[in-house]
Amino acid sequence: SQQGEEDPQALSIQEGENATMNCSYKTSINNLQWYRQNSGRGLVHLILIRSNEREKHSGRLRVTLDTSKKSSSLLITASRAADTASYFCATDVRGSNYKLTFGKGTLLTVNP
Amino acid sequence: DAGVTQSPTHLIKTRGQQVTLRCSPISGHKSVSWYQQVLGQGPQFIFQYYEKEERGRGNFPDRFSARQFPNYSSELNVNALLLGDSALYLCASSLTGDGGYTFGSGTRLTVV
Repeated sequence: SQQGEEDPQALSIQEGENATMNCSYKTSINNLQWYRQNSGRGLVHLILIRSNEREKHSGRLRVTLDTSKKSSSLLITASRAADTASYFCATDVRGSNYKLTFGKGTLLTVNP
Repeated sequence: DAGVTQSPTHLIKTRGQQVTLRCSPISGHKSVSWYQQVLGQGPQFIFQYYEKEERGRGNFPDRFSARQFPNYSSELNVNALLLGDSALYLCASSLTGDGGYTFGSGTRLTVV
């Protein structure tokens, strides 16, 4: 079964706008990670937030985590055409033997 | 410093055949994980190896097996291939296997 579910499934915005993607999960986690994937190739690790953290920043990225609601959000500010990609949240579930459980992803299209 | 390298990049096999996929982790990384990504879905965990020992196994049939060598490189073997095994196979490495991962570009396997 799917642990993480991203919302929306697809998002189309103009360059310069902000993009927000959400992720919900079902069970207790050690950490939650966000990855980017371009054109069905390898995933690029963006940011990791631990269960005792509420917010993290990395460049134009801001991630929040609400463990009471079992949800996370990824905000990309001042988006660029190069940000066009699929974005996945992945949960490191407690007791899951070191596996990451991915959602189906959000396809972000940034129009120039 | 080289990233995670996977070989081959693409592969076409016939149903019933066997396939071996290879992965070299980032130098110094002792953990290697394998994921299967079917088109339109998020990656699904297959195995994790750490210090040459299997540390986690996903919900895949026994036709899937893997091993890790003393230099921490890894092979994923799939026997008796089915059409449904067609997917992008991703390898990921990390220092300890419980943090962020670096993914390779993947091997795209097509079973005909």
